[in-house]
Amino acid sequence: ETGVTQTPRHLVMGMTNKKSLKCEQHLGHNAMYWYKQSAKKPLELMFVYSLEERVENNSVPSRFSPECPNSSHLFLHLHTLQPEDSALYLCASSQDHSFLNTGELFFGEGSRLTVL
Amino acid sequence: GENVEQHPSTLSVQEGDSAVIKCTYSDSASNYFPWYKQELGKGPQLIIDIRSNVGEKKDQRIAVTLNKTAKHFSLHITETQPEDSAVYFCAAGNNNDMRFGAGTRLTVKP
Repeated sequence: ETGVTQTPRHLVMGMTNKKSLKCEQHLGHNAMYWYKQSAKKPLELMFVYSLEERVENNSVPSRFSPECPNSSHLFLHLHTLQPEDSALYLCASSQDHSFLNTGELFFGEGSRLTVL
Repeated sequence: GENVEQHPSTLSVQEGDSAVIKCTYSDSASNYFPWYKQELGKGPQLIIDIRSNVGEKKDQRIAVTLNKTAKHFSLHITETQPEDSAVYFCAAGNNNDMRFGAGTRLTVKP
């Protein structure tokens, strides 16, 4: 089983739908992240959780709502999205939330979201 | 905040040739510089990283160089193979902030 697992791999939703993305890490890490990946653009950090507490929210619209019930699971709840929100959403984990110490992010394979 | 520029956006080389990808960063406080490889349908995976206390690091066919004065760092892949074809991302980080470049799509032609 891979270290970071994301479901679903593909999701198509209308602008009025409510859906959720799920991420699970089996690495015993303390920090988890949501990134947005759009074509030909840098990875955009959305949210950071460290020991189940949100430590960073990079001005993400409220139509994206994260949830971290424990250190192994991370959700991204989606509500009334726009077509421009279509992208690949990547979950990642790291040992600690400190790039100075270890730095390595372990990514899942992503959830490809299409908003119609 | 940090801003990372990556060039080129696409790169095509013949199998066996070398490939070089370059990145520049803006924040002089950045001291951690990883490179990630993303294969089709997969998430990015760390392939090599360098910290600001060294100027060069090598791991088999891949190497990274860092010039802190000029604020640029580069990825070098020698003896390229078709399986090196992927998108490569550089990043620059300090403490709890890390920014990525926009990526380079490398194609190695057999």
